[in-house]
Amino acid sequence: DAGVIQSPRHEVTEMGQEVTLRCKPISGHDYLFWYRQTMMRGLELLIYFNNNVPIDDSGMPEDRFSAKMPNASFSTLKIQPSEPRDSAVYFCASSPFTGFYGYTFGSGTRLTVV
Amino acid sequence: AQTVTQSQPEMSVQEAETVTLSCTYDTSENNYYLFWYKQPPSRQMILVIRQEAYKQQNATENRFSVNFQKAAKSFSLKISDSQLGDTAMYFCAFMKHGGGTASKLTFGTGTRLQVTL
Repeated sequence: DAGVIQSPRHEVTEMGQEVTLRCKPISGHDYLFWYRQTMMRGLELLIYFNNNVPIDDSGMPEDRFSAKMPNASFSTLKIQPSEPRDSAVYFCASSPFTGFYGYTFGSGTRLTVV
Repeated sequence: AQTVTQSQPEMSVQEAETVTLSCTYDTSENNYYLFWYKQPPSRQMILVIRQEAYKQQNATENRFSVNFQKAAKSFSLKISDSQLGDTAMYFCAFMKHGGGTASKLTFGTGTRLQVTL
């Protein structure tokens, strides 16, 4: 298996622009998670899905952020409009049904909003 | 809500030596999972070791082992025979058991480990 695949690896955009981050989870994994990592706040859970259904989006910072999982093999995290404070590394991770195995993370997308 | 505390922001160890990274957590749950993740400069998050709270036996994975003290809510990571490739940020993480299903991972703030020659 190729693991969790995220794209793009780096994204630089101007303030006010729409940004879309993409994730392909490991085949057969039931759960998909989006995390954000910053120096100030560490690793924060934004939202997670079970069988393509959003379970907890309480970590989504504001209405500018939205996430979708149209099928078991694809998810997007969209920021519209983007702001400089959104600059961070965004991780996607997936997990099988049982939590004991932890998550497998993608390599992350480094977003810079200028 | 669960919290995870890593009180050592940075640590340094010489190659071939042993180092222990500390982690404490706060929870009212009785069943849960604990993890250590490694994040090298490549930024990839790599699972190092995991522990189920109901198992008293400490987990080991090659040079990595944990000291799990449930009553003290402590979960330290010991790295034996440290190698230069162990240089990374190490995160302790907590997950509720939730009936065995996956759920939210709560991370500590991390310990930056530098392995020197």
